[in-house]
Order: sequence, then structure tokens, then C-alpha cells
Amino acid sequence: KQEVTQIPAALSVPEGENLVLNCSFTDSAIYNLQWFRQDPGKGLTSLLLIQSSQREQTSGRLNASLDKSSGRSTLYIAASQPGDSATYLCAVNGAGNNRKLIWGLGTSLAVNP
Amino acid sequence: DAGVIQSPRHEVTEMGQEVTLRCKPISGHNSLFWYRQTMMRGLELLIYFNNNVPIDDSGMPEDRFSAKMPNASFSTLKIQPSEPRDSAVYFCASSLGGYTGELFFGEGSRLTVL
Repeated sequence: KQEVTQIPAALSVPEGENLVLNCSFTDSAIYNLQWFRQDPGKGLTSLLLIQSSQREQTSGRLNASLDKSSGRSTLYIAASQPGDSATYLCAVNGAGNNRKLIWGLGTSLAVNP
Repeated sequence: DAGVIQSPRHEVTEMGQEVTLRCKPISGHNSLFWYRQTMMRGLELLIYFNNNVPIDDSGMPEDRFSAKMPNASFSTLKIQPSEPRDSAVYFCASSLGGYTGELFFGEGSRLTVL
């Protein structure tokens, strides 16, 4: 059974730092992996989607990497800003017949000015 | 496009009352999902529709929960009777291409059952 873990649950950094958020999954047979951002009281916004055949995806200051063999993905945020403060969730689509998204509980990020 | 639209944004009701949550997906999307989010359990998939047909309702907690999608632009999630443990934020999301497409979420309906 696929399980997705995000550590740490919370992270606080000063503005300007480069930071890495971690996501691990137990079953390497995945179809794709997605990173989302959730602001307080809001819905989730898709940030990056990495197909199983890809190693990384980039969007602006965000870079997500995928290492299926080790069951890990990282979300790298360059030059963090207070506006990056939010909860970041990763979710994995299984391969084969069960493509249901399996979610991590998220990392709550605070970027302090 | 206005995105996924949910209503109401907030609902406070008393135990035993019927609750109906509504969702309008993004036009042209063929897949619709209802999720529930709590601090303890995170995001849980309740039900998935594809082309207005329920494909996977294994996440619906019990018979008190029901969902319908009468057409491509509207879905409802109903809880009857509601219980305090149903208190959560309920999200609707839509996508092109089922489980594996990019998901677009509404802003959620925060339900409090007293």
C-alpha cells in the first residue's frame, strides 16, 4: 500500500534562504507526482507535476526533482520570500490499475521577513 | 475561466440536519473529485466522477453521505443526517484526464456541525 510522508511537518526560515522540502513514498511504481501549495483558508494550487519518466520540473523559483528508485521527491525553493509562506503538499499517482492520488500531510512553511 | 466554484464557503449546522454542498467544475473538465480535509487525516478522497458517472465512491464514509453529478457543470455532496465528526473542510476539484491529470481545486466549504 502506497504511503506518502513529508518531513518536517513545519519549517521556519528567514527571507532569502534557499530551502528544500522533502516527500517520500513507499512504492516506486508511480505514474506521476504532484506538488501543491495551500494558503490558509484556501484551496490547493498545483505547482509542479512530474511524470514518472522525468527527473525534474522547474517553474520560476521552484524546482521539483524525482528519484523513483529511492522513493523521494524534493521541492527546492530559491531565494525564499514571505509570500512563499503556505503549506506544501505532495501527492503520488500509482501506476497500473490503481491511479488514485495518495497524499502527504504537508509541510507548513513560514518565511520570516 | 472562473475556476472551480464551491458553495457555501462556510456552513454551521446542528447535529441531525441535512447539509448540501455544491460544486461547479471548470468548463470542459471531464473529471470531478470530492475531498475532505481534516488536521488529523489530511486530504481524503470521498468520490470521483468521470463524465458525470461515479467511478470510485470507496471513500464515502457511510450511507449518510451521497453525491450526485446530474450534468457536466454541477455536482452536490449531501450529508444526512450530519454529525459533529463530519466537521471538516470539503473540497471539490476537477481535471482533464481522471486521476492523473492536473487537479484544480475550489476554495472549499468549511462545515461545522454542532
